[in-house]
Amino acid sequence: QVQLQESGPGLVKPSQTLSLTCTVSGGSISSGGYYWSWIRQHPGKGLEWIGYIYYSGSTYYNPSLKSRVTISVDTSKNQFSLKLSSVTAADTAVYYCARERSIFGVVTYFDYWGQGTLVTVSS
Amino acid sequence: AIRMTQSPSSFSASTGDRVTITCRASQGISSYLAWYQQKPGKAPKLLIYAASTLQSGVPSRFSGSGSGTDFTLTISCLQSEDFATYYCQQYYSYPGFGQGTKVEIK
Repeated sequence: QVQLQESGPGLVKPSQTLSLTCTVSGGSISSGGYYWSWIRQHPGKGLEWIGYIYYSGSTYYNPSLKSRVTISVDTSKNQFSLKLSSVTAADTAVYYCARERSIFGVVTYFDYWGQGTLVTVSS
Repeated sequence: AIRMTQSPSSFSASTGDRVTITCRASQGISSYLAWYQQKPGKAPKLLIYAASTLQSGVPSRFSGSGSGTDFTLTISCLQSEDFATYYCQQYYSYPGFGQGTKVEIK
Protein backbone atom coordinates (compact mmCIF):
# COMPACT_ATOMS: atom_id res chain seq x y z
CA GLN A 1 0.00 0.00 0.00
CA VAL A 2 1.52 3.28 -1.11
CA GLN A 3 1.55 6.02 1.49
CA LEU A 4 2.51 9.66 1.14
CA GLN A 5 3.34 12.01 4.00
CA GLU A 6 3.87 15.75 3.79
CA SER A 7 6.26 17.53 6.12
CA GLY A 8 7.46 21.08 6.58
CA PRO A 9 6.80 24.32 8.46
CA GLY A 10 3.21 25.16 9.21
CA LEU A 11 3.90 28.88 9.35
CA VAL A 12 5.74 30.95 6.75
CA LYS A 13 6.28 34.70 6.73
CA PRO A 14 5.11 36.81 3.80
CA SER A 15 7.67 37.19 0.98
CA GLN A 16 9.53 34.09 2.14
CA THR A 17 9.69 30.67 0.49
CA LEU A 18 7.35 27.85 1.43
CA SER A 19 9.13 24.49 1.48
CA LEU A 20 7.46 21.11 1.83
CA THR A 21 8.64 17.54 1.40
CA CYS A 22 6.59 14.45 0.57
CA THR A 23 7.95 11.10 1.68
CA VAL A 24 6.67 8.08 -0.22
CA SER A 25 6.52 4.63 1.36
CA GLY A 26 5.25 1.31 0.11
CA GLY A 27 6.53 1.94 -3.39
CA SER A 28 9.45 3.48 -5.22
CA ILE A 29 9.30 6.89 -6.85
CA SER A 30 11.79 5.50 -9.40
CA SER A 31 9.57 2.65 -10.51
CA GLY A 32 8.09 4.72 -13.30
CA GLY A 33 4.53 4.92 -14.48
CA TYR A 34 3.64 7.68 -12.08
CA TYR A 35 4.00 11.40 -11.71
CA TRP A 36 4.30 12.96 -8.28
CA SER A 37 2.17 16.02 -7.69
CA TRP A 38 1.45 18.85 -5.33
CA ILE A 39 -2.10 20.11 -4.94
CA ARG A 40 -3.44 22.75 -2.58
CA GLN A 41 -6.78 23.66 -1.12
CA HIS A 42 -7.50 27.11 0.23
CA PRO A 43 -9.57 27.08 3.44
CA GLY A 44 -13.13 26.11 2.62
CA LYS A 45 -12.40 26.15 -1.11
CA GLY A 46 -11.72 23.79 -3.99
CA LEU A 47 -8.60 22.03 -5.19
CA GLU A 48 -5.79 23.60 -7.20
CA TRP A 49 -3.11 21.54 -8.90
CA ILE A 50 0.35 23.11 -8.43
CA GLY A 51 2.60 20.87 -10.49
CA TYR A 52 4.17 17.46 -10.91
CA ILE A 53 7.52 15.78 -11.32
CA TYR A 54 8.61 12.49 -12.85
CA TYR A 55 11.36 10.46 -11.22
CA SER A 56 13.67 11.53 -14.05
CA GLY A 57 13.29 15.12 -12.91
CA SER A 58 11.02 16.40 -15.65
CA THR A 59 8.45 18.82 -14.33
CA TYR A 60 5.28 20.60 -15.35
CA TYR A 61 3.70 23.45 -13.43
CA ASN A 62 0.35 25.16 -13.31
CA PRO A 63 0.83 28.24 -15.52
CA SER A 64 -0.77 30.44 -12.86
CA LEU A 65 1.97 29.53 -10.36
CA LYS A 66 4.84 28.64 -12.65
CA SER A 67 6.97 31.71 -11.93
CA ARG A 68 7.10 30.89 -8.20
CA VAL A 69 7.14 27.07 -8.12
CA THR A 70 9.97 24.58 -8.07
CA ILE A 71 9.40 20.85 -7.60
CA SER A 72 12.35 18.53 -7.15
CA VAL A 73 12.87 14.84 -6.50
CA ASP A 74 15.33 12.86 -4.39
CA THR A 75 15.05 9.26 -5.49
CA SER A 76 17.61 8.10 -2.92
CA LYS A 77 15.28 9.21 -0.15
CA ASN A 78 12.08 8.40 -2.04
CA GLN A 79 10.97 11.99 -1.59
CA PHE A 80 9.87 14.91 -3.67
CA SER A 81 9.68 18.52 -2.62
CA LEU A 82 7.85 21.77 -3.28
CA LYS A 83 9.21 25.28 -3.06
CA LEU A 84 6.88 28.24 -3.52
CA SER A 85 8.58 31.61 -3.43
CA SER A 86 7.40 35.10 -2.53
CA VAL A 87 4.40 33.84 -0.60
CA THR A 88 1.49 36.01 0.50
CA ALA A 89 -1.58 35.37 2.61
CA ALA A 90 -3.25 34.07 -0.55
CA ASP A 91 -0.94 31.06 -0.39
CA THR A 92 -2.40 29.97 2.94
CA ALA A 93 -3.82 26.53 2.22
CA VAL A 94 -3.73 22.84 2.93
CA TYR A 95 -1.02 21.37 0.72
CA TYR A 96 -1.35 17.79 -0.46
CA CYS A 97 1.12 15.57 -2.22
CA ALA A 98 -0.33 12.90 -4.47
CA ARG A 99 0.58 10.18 -6.93
CA GLU A 100 -0.71 10.66 -10.45
CA ARG A 101 -1.07 7.69 -12.78
CA SER A 102 0.74 7.87 -16.10
CA ILE A 103 -0.88 5.89 -18.90
CA PHE A 104 1.16 5.70 -22.08
CA GLY A 105 3.07 8.73 -20.87
CA VAL A 106 -0.05 10.79 -20.28
CA VAL A 107 -0.76 12.09 -16.79
CA THR A 108 -4.19 11.18 -15.55
CA TYR A 109 -5.83 10.97 -12.13
CA PHE A 110 -4.59 11.01 -8.54
CA ASP A 111 -4.89 7.61 -6.92
CA TYR A 112 -2.98 8.12 -3.67
CA TRP A 113 -2.86 11.26 -1.54
CA GLY A 114 -1.04 12.40 1.55
CA GLN A 115 -3.11 13.54 4.51
CA GLY A 116 -2.35 17.18 3.79
CA THR A 117 -0.57 19.84 5.78
CA LEU A 118 -1.86 23.32 6.57
CA VAL A 119 0.55 26.10 5.75
CA THR A 120 -0.32 29.55 7.04
CA VAL A 121 1.36 32.64 5.64
CA SER A 122 1.49 35.28 8.33
CA SER A 123 3.97 37.58 9.99
CA ALA B 1 -7.18 26.43 -19.35
CA ILE B 2 -10.13 24.05 -19.35
CA ARG B 3 -12.80 25.20 -16.92
CA MET B 4 -14.81 22.58 -15.01
CA THR B 5 -18.21 23.59 -13.67
CA GLN B 6 -20.16 21.40 -11.26
CA SER B 7 -23.81 21.65 -10.44
CA PRO B 8 -25.34 22.03 -8.04
CA SER B 9 -22.82 23.55 -5.64
CA SER B 10 -24.64 21.91 -2.75
CA PHE B 11 -27.85 20.12 -1.98
CA SER B 12 -29.60 18.17 0.75
CA ALA B 13 -30.62 14.56 0.41
CA SER B 14 -31.79 11.67 2.54
CA THR B 15 -30.30 8.25 3.09
CA GLY B 16 -31.58 5.94 0.37
CA ASP B 17 -31.98 8.70 -2.23
CA ARG B 18 -30.60 8.44 -5.72
CA VAL B 19 -28.46 11.51 -6.35
CA THR B 20 -26.77 12.89 -9.43
CA ILE B 21 -24.02 15.48 -9.69
CA THR B 22 -23.15 17.11 -12.99
CA CYS B 23 -19.78 18.29 -14.25
CA ARG B 24 -19.39 20.29 -17.46
CA ALA B 25 -16.11 21.03 -19.22
CA SER B 26 -15.53 24.27 -21.13
CA GLN B 27 -14.25 22.20 -24.06
CA GLY B 28 -14.32 18.57 -25.05
CA ILE B 29 -12.18 16.31 -22.87
CA SER B 30 -13.15 12.91 -24.30
CA SER B 31 -13.42 10.61 -21.26
CA TYR B 32 -10.47 12.08 -19.38
CA LEU B 33 -12.41 12.71 -16.20
CA ALA B 34 -12.16 11.54 -12.61
CA TRP B 35 -14.39 11.94 -9.58
CA TYR B 36 -13.26 12.29 -5.97
CA GLN B 37 -14.99 12.27 -2.60
CA GLN B 38 -13.67 14.46 0.20
CA LYS B 39 -14.76 14.41 3.82
CA PRO B 40 -13.94 17.24 6.26
CA GLY B 41 -10.30 17.26 7.30
CA LYS B 42 -9.41 14.42 4.95
CA ALA B 43 -7.69 14.12 1.60
CA PRO B 44 -9.80 13.49 -1.48
CA LYS B 45 -10.43 9.87 -2.36
CA LEU B 46 -10.54 8.64 -5.95
CA LEU B 47 -13.91 7.15 -6.87
CA ILE B 48 -14.04 6.97 -10.65
CA TYR B 49 -11.62 7.53 -13.52
CA ALA B 50 -11.94 7.50 -17.29
CA ALA B 51 -15.42 8.94 -16.68
CA SER B 52 -17.00 5.61 -15.79
CA THR B 53 -14.41 3.18 -14.39
CA LEU B 54 -14.86 2.44 -10.71
CA GLN B 55 -11.69 2.57 -8.66
CA SER B 56 -10.90 -0.67 -6.84
CA GLY B 57 -12.66 -0.89 -3.50
CA VAL B 58 -15.28 1.76 -4.25
CA PRO B 59 -18.88 0.59 -3.68
CA SER B 60 -20.90 -0.20 -6.77
CA ARG B 61 -23.59 2.32 -5.80
CA PHE B 62 -21.25 4.91 -7.30
CA SER B 63 -21.28 5.24 -11.07
CA GLY B 64 -20.10 7.74 -13.64
CA SER B 65 -21.07 8.51 -17.18
CA GLY B 66 -20.52 10.99 -19.96
CA SER B 67 -17.95 12.03 -22.52
CA GLY B 68 -17.00 15.17 -24.36
CA THR B 69 -18.19 18.04 -22.21
CA ASP B 70 -20.94 16.64 -19.98
CA PHE B 71 -20.47 14.14 -17.17
CA THR B 72 -22.46 12.82 -14.24
CA LEU B 73 -21.70 11.07 -10.97
CA THR B 74 -24.59 9.05 -9.61
CA ILE B 75 -24.99 7.51 -6.19
CA SER B 76 -27.77 4.97 -6.53
CA CYS B 77 -28.72 4.63 -2.87
CA LEU B 78 -27.19 7.27 -0.64
CA GLN B 79 -25.61 5.95 2.53
CA SER B 80 -24.70 7.90 5.67
CA GLU B 81 -21.01 7.69 4.83
CA ASP B 82 -21.62 9.33 1.44
CA PHE B 83 -22.36 12.76 2.86
CA ALA B 84 -19.29 14.62 1.65
CA THR B 85 -18.03 16.99 -1.02
CA TYR B 86 -17.47 15.63 -4.52
CA TYR B 87 -15.04 16.98 -7.10
CA CYS B 88 -14.58 16.25 -10.77
CA GLN B 89 -11.14 16.55 -12.35
CA GLN B 90 -10.19 16.63 -16.01
CA TYR B 91 -6.88 15.32 -17.26
CA TYR B 92 -7.23 16.19 -20.92
CA SER B 93 -4.76 18.99 -20.30
CA TYR B 94 -2.94 19.92 -17.10
CA PRO B 95 -5.14 18.81 -14.18
CA GLY B 96 -8.12 20.98 -13.30
CA PHE B 97 -10.88 20.47 -10.77
CA GLY B 98 -14.48 21.50 -10.51
CA GLN B 99 -15.46 23.74 -7.61
CA GLY B 100 -17.06 20.88 -5.71
CA THR B 101 -20.57 19.72 -4.80
CA LYS B 102 -21.43 19.32 -1.15
CA VAL B 103 -24.00 16.64 -0.33
CA GLU B 104 -25.65 17.38 3.00
CA ILE B 105 -28.12 15.50 5.13
CA LYS B 106 -31.73 16.60 4.72
